[in-house]
Amino acid sequence: NAGVTQTPKFQVLKTGQSMTLQCAQDMNHNSMYWYRQDPGMGLRLIYYSASEGTTDKGEVPNGYNVSRLNKREFSLRLESAAPSQTSVYFCASSSRGEGRGYTFGSGTRLTVV
Amino acid sequence: KNEVEQSPQNLTAQEGEFITINCSYSVGISALHWLQQHPGGGIVSLFMLSSGKKKHGRLIATINIQEKHSSLHITASHPRDSAVYICAVRGDGGTSYGKLTFGQGTILTVHP
Repeated sequence: NAGVTQTPKFQVLKTGQSMTLQCAQDMNHNSMYWYRQDPGMGLRLIYYSASEGTTDKGEVPNGYNVSRLNKREFSLRLESAAPSQTSVYFCASSSRGEGRGYTFGSGTRLTVV
Repeated sequence: KNEVEQSPQNLTAQEGEFITINCSYSVGISALHWLQQHPGGGIVSLFMLSSGKKKHGRLIATINIQEKHSSLHITASHPRDSAVYICAVRGDGGTSYGKLTFGQGTILTVHP
């Protein structure tokens, strides 16, 4: 099915461990995003990539890095996980122009202990 | 003050009732999205609006650009409509283009 695929769906890390969240879209969208969702805080933008080869910080980038590997893939890396990074992470992609569709992945529930 | 405000935060209804969720925003936008999220679930885009009104099944979304306000209506509500409904606005240019700013969400519970 066309859409945004995120892996893994669940992950438990120990403080200080690293991991990479993977995201791929097959809709030929130019822009991709990583958001985190926390109770009482809503969804907040971590990083985004307006097009292949570019990445920019969002509202809450500290503790994260990203890579836009190609047009399809946008990964989020936690170099040294902290309990404050316990959250649900969503990848999304969007198009420009008249369609301007916005599609979300199914989310990754990350717990840092 | 948040850039995107939703009301109410919580809404409880009986099956069959007409439901309205409101969204006000304070920034320039290129589009407004209504999103739905079921408990423990992913996020689904219901509507994207830049003007006027859209209808899909029992769902209707309207936007008034001059007043910076949008509403989501659900007619003949059903328990399966129980979810969190999120309003999100999309930046209108420059560095904000494409990025979404979200409201806090409205938790809707529809009882049979």
